Amino acid sequence: EVQLVQSGAEVKKPGESLKISCKGSGYSFTTYWIGWVRQMPGKGLEWMGIIYPGDSDTRYSPSFQGQVTISADKSISTAYLQWSSLRASDTAMYYCARPAGPFYYSPFDYWGQGTLVTVSS
Amino acid sequence: EIVLTQSPGTLSLSPGERATLSCRASQSVSSSYLAWYLQKPGQAPRLLIYGASSRATGIPDRFSGSGSGTDFTLTISRLEPEDFAVYYCQQYGSSPRTFGQGTKVEIK
Repeated sequence: EVQLVQSGAEVKKPGESLKISCKGSGYSFTTYWIGWVRQMPGKGLEWMGIIYPGDSDTRYSPSFQGQVTISADKSISTAYLQWSSLRASDTAMYYCARPAGPFYYSPFDYWGQGTLVTVSS
Repeated sequence: EIVLTQSPGTLSLSPGERATLSCRASQSVSSSYLAWYLQKPGQAPRLLIYGASSRATGIPDRFSGSGSGTDFTLTISRLEPEDFAVYYCQQYGSSPRTFGQGTKVEIK
């Protein structure tokens, strides 16, 4: 069974750094893209970027380029989303997700449970 | 970047009624790489339709998708109580992969 299990909720102060994780299991981690999606409180879904763990090929939405870093450690089947300096506007639920097939042009069929990030002074 | 505009913003219907949701793209969606998702409160989104008209695994046949180019439609033939939720379209044929702003289907 394919599973994506995300790290727990975080409460941080503005300016702090953060790295959240998404551990994949039940499939070959290196052969499927994994993406990240933001959902701000009461708002819609925003595609942030995607990584291919096999070779760490990473693509970002222009809206998030330079604001976050997506990475993966294939030795432990885990993808990451990190910030070097959080802002209050980063408060949101963050989902990792995987396509059904090992293709770049494929919609997200498997989703993590979400990680709630709260940034407040 | 392809902008997806969903309409209406909110759809108020009764169980058993037919729902028609629209998703319009600012430019042609490559190879009909258009998906629909359903999201219930407190849950992650769930894939309903991909390739504009193919149902994902386990999705009942009351859900159907159609369209091509810049105009796409999700139809729910007879609303069940569990269908009242927010629906998003997404194009995944060009980068960045964008979502529409969502349509809320609420009980009338």
